[in-house]
Amino acid sequence: EDQVTQSPEALRLQEGESSSLNCSYTVSGLRGLFWYRQDPGKGPEFLFTLYSAGEEKEKERLKATLTKKESFLHITAPKPEDSATYLCAVQAYQAGTALIFGKGTTLSVSS
Amino acid sequence: GAGVSQSPRYKVAKRGQDVALRCDPISGHVSLFWYQQALGQGPEFLTYFQNEAQLDKSGLPSDRFFAERPEGSVSTLKIQRTQQEDSAVYLCASSQVGGNTGELFFGEGSRLTVL
Repeated sequence: EDQVTQSPEALRLQEGESSSLNCSYTVSGLRGLFWYRQDPGKGPEFLFTLYSAGEEKEKERLKATLTKKESFLHITAPKPEDSATYLCAVQAYQAGTALIFGKGTTLSVSS
Repeated sequence: GAGVSQSPRYKVAKRGQDVALRCDPISGHVSLFWYQQALGQGPEFLTYFQNEAQLDKSGLPSDRFFAERPEGSVSTLKIQRTQQEDSAVYLCASSQVGGNTGELFFGEGSRLTVL
């Protein structure tokens, strides 16, 4: 069964304290792995797409990486405005169009 | 509009009532998706439309759930005889390209509470 596990469930950081979020996945034929950001009461906002092991994408203080079994979202020198829930999702060749999401990691950054 | 618009934002229904949730995707977007997000969980896929054709409805949890997109633009998700387990946020998303994309534009969701 295709599944996505994110850890930790919650993470508290001080402003400027870098860290990483983990997304482990089990999928029969990965079409793509996606990171989203979700603010309270809002819909998810697309951040990155990763297609193959070794691939990296960057945007401002965020960098996403991918291996054959997991992805990391690295946050460098976070700011309070980076506080949100970060969702990881995979799309499998055999699952058609559906994205399979993890439960997310809720990040809180305090000043 | 600039983004995906959903209405109503909040809906309270008594158990057994029928509800209809509306989604206005970004103009010109071919693909439209519905997801269900329970409290503290990630979104779960319900159904997918390419233009007016419903190409995948494998995620609909029961035959009480029905979705349509008759003119290839606005979509409605209907839930008949609502149950308490239907309480969740229903998210609509659209994409400019076909369904094999994970880069989706989500609306803010419709929060359904069934009493």
